[in-house]
Amino acid sequence: GIQVEQSPPDLILQEGANSTLRCNFSDSVNNLQWFHQNPWGQLINLFYIPSGTKQNGRLSATTVATERYSLLYISSSQTTDSGVYFCAVLPSYNFNKFYFGSGTKLNVKP
Amino acid sequence: SAVISQKPSRDICQRGTSLTIQCQVDSQVTMMFWYRQQPGQSLTLIATANQGSEATYESGFVIDKFPISRPNLTFSTLTVSNMSPEDSSIYLCSVQTHNEQFFGPGTRLTVL
Repeated sequence: GIQVEQSPPDLILQEGANSTLRCNFSDSVNNLQWFHQNPWGQLINLFYIPSGTKQNGRLSATTVATERYSLLYISSSQTTDSGVYFCAVLPSYNFNKFYFGSGTKLNVKP
Repeated sequence: SAVISQKPSRDICQRGTSLTIQCQVDSQVTMMFWYRQQPGQSLTLIATANQGSEATYESGFVIDKFPISRPNLTFSTLTVSNMSPEDSSIYLCSVQTHNEQFFGPGTRLTVL
């Protein structure tokens, strides 16, 4: 199946700092999503972004499908941004199965 | 989008027992998905559940251990059978609409 790699695996930030999370994937995709898993375990949809750039408040994401990577930008980080960020892709050859990266664990300190 | 609810939200069970997790969606969907997330790990797909047919299980997961029901287009259950401490995980229900995936709040299971 498709390989999905996220980096860095762990990230510690001081509140107010900016960061970039990366997701590389090994094959063409129909969909790419970013999720935030909060400390209670709930997965929150951040972006549906198979290509292009989107922004939502302090968060933005860019996917360059031809180069098989996506970036998630977090600006002016807050302690509530802490948690695990997952990238998930839906390969072009299998419309029914999402493949998840291993996640980036973010800890924002006050 | 889709709004998904799961019951129970958490449970503590004794080894050898079984737990059934319920998943309810606010709209009709063709496929529902069940995932497991072991502590500190990413999500692993257990099976895909279509209404009116047997669930399709991923490698490493079997129907005897994780029986699934899908009686209609808005509801599914996952049973974790004959539990052991290794089954302690978060179990998540998911649906896909227009290629976008949505998750329920999860069921946090601890097996003693």
